[in-house]
Amino acid sequence: DARVTQTPRHKVTEMGQEVTMRCQPILGHNTVFWYRQTMMQGLELLAYFRNRAPLDDSGMPKDRFSAEMPDATLATLKIQPSEPRDSAVYFCASGLADIVNRGFEYEQYFGPGTRLTVT
Amino acid sequence: AQTVTQSQPEMSVQEAETVTLSCTYDTSENNYYLFWYKQPPSRQMILVIRQEAYKQQNATENRFSVNFQKAAKSFSLKISDSQLGDTAMYFCAFMTREDFRNAGNMLTFGGGTRLMVKP
Repeated sequence: DARVTQTPRHKVTEMGQEVTMRCQPILGHNTVFWYRQTMMQGLELLAYFRNRAPLDDSGMPKDRFSAEMPDATLATLKIQPSEPRDSAVYFCASGLADIVNRGFEYEQYFGPGTRLTVT
Repeated sequence: AQTVTQSQPEMSVQEAETVTLSCTYDTSENNYYLFWYKQPPSRQMILVIRQEAYKQQNATENRFSVNFQKAAKSFSLKISDSQLGDTAMYFCAFMTREDFRNAGNMLTFGGGTRLMVKP
């Protein structure tokens, strides 16, 4: 049963600390998305990758957030330094964008999310 | 830019009854795809149903069906025989074919509708 995994599931940290969230996309998927969900803003797209290359991270505060894909099986989202307003649930999703070989598969598969609380 | 609007922040329905969640979208594109995602209290985002804009027939998945009105840019979700397990946030989402070609399967989400199924 292929699924997206995220670690940690919960994180409580103090303001100013570095936070790293990890995501393992479904094997074979080549697109990865990072979302942030809050009550006030709903679901916000922070960044996304295709074939490990960042395509757009305009939704992400650049001064403190960074997203990377060190390899095809790992995506990371880092916040340094963290602030209380970063408290949210962070979702990773993966998908397969491969029109030529696989036909059009357009679903995004979401991970369980990381609930971050910054005090 | 595409926008997705869910005008009902909260809804409730009695168990076994039918409920319809509304969604409207705005786009100048002709080829696109529409989705309904369910987010139960566990926070997992689950794809419920999808619709290709070029298909006139409304999509159906068991108790879930859509009413897709392309001219009106409306994409409502009908849940029949509501069950307690249907209690969740429901998100309408949208993706253009052009978005897919350029950026992979990137979604635009609505603000969500919180559905409560009452026993």
